[in-house]
Amino acid sequence: ELKVEQNPLFLSMQEGKNYTIYCNYSTTSDRLYWYRQDPGKSLESLFVLLSNGAVKQEGRLMASLDTKARLSTLHITAAVHDLSATYFCAGRWGGNNDMRFGAGTRLTVKP
Amino acid sequence: EPEVTQTPSHQVTQMGQEVILRCVPISNHLYFYWYRQILGQKVEFLVSFYNNEISEKSEIFDDQFSVERPDGSNFTLKIRSTKLEDSAMYFCASSEEVGLAGEASYNEQFFGPGTRLTVL
Repeated sequence: ELKVEQNPLFLSMQEGKNYTIYCNYSTTSDRLYWYRQDPGKSLESLFVLLSNGAVKQEGRLMASLDTKARLSTLHITAAVHDLSATYFCAGRWGGNNDMRFGAGTRLTVKP
Repeated sequence: EPEVTQTPSHQVTQMGQEVILRCVPISNHLYFYWYRQILGQKVEFLVSFYNNEISEKSEIFDDQFSVERPDGSNFTLKIRSTKLEDSAMYFCASSEEVGLAGEASYNEQFFGPGTRLTVL
């Protein structure tokens, strides 16, 4: 069974700063997802990473995948308050259709 | 833009009662899912459904739970006899397998807004 671990679980940062959220997973995963969740809201898909070395960027967020290290990262560049949310990574493995989620990283960006 | 919808947005029920949560997946999607999120915790997979049958289910999805696609648009989750610990946000999701044969399929899952279930 795939286990997904994120760190940190809580992240408070100043606007304009950079930071990285880490997502480790326990077994071979054929794809890795990043989602954003605002309080009381649903999950918004940010990135789907399909292969080793995949890097995707959208605005101030950049996600990467290292399948050999079983590690994905979500890098935040020059954070702004609007990025405050909980970010989840999730993996899929073995042809299964379900996703296994990490515990989430609650990001707070302070002015 | 097509989206997954869910009703009701909030359901309050007494312990032991049956509830049915409803979802309308995106119309051309083939796979349907239910997830739950207990307040402040991570999202947990319950069940996936394809071609009118369950394709996978987690250990959470016991005999109290069932899913159905009663018509061409709705996808429902029934909890037969609710327990206090069933209180959670329940998310429906759907996906469309894309890609040519032999290629890794994309399987991006789109989530609905959720139904908050409160069991008293």
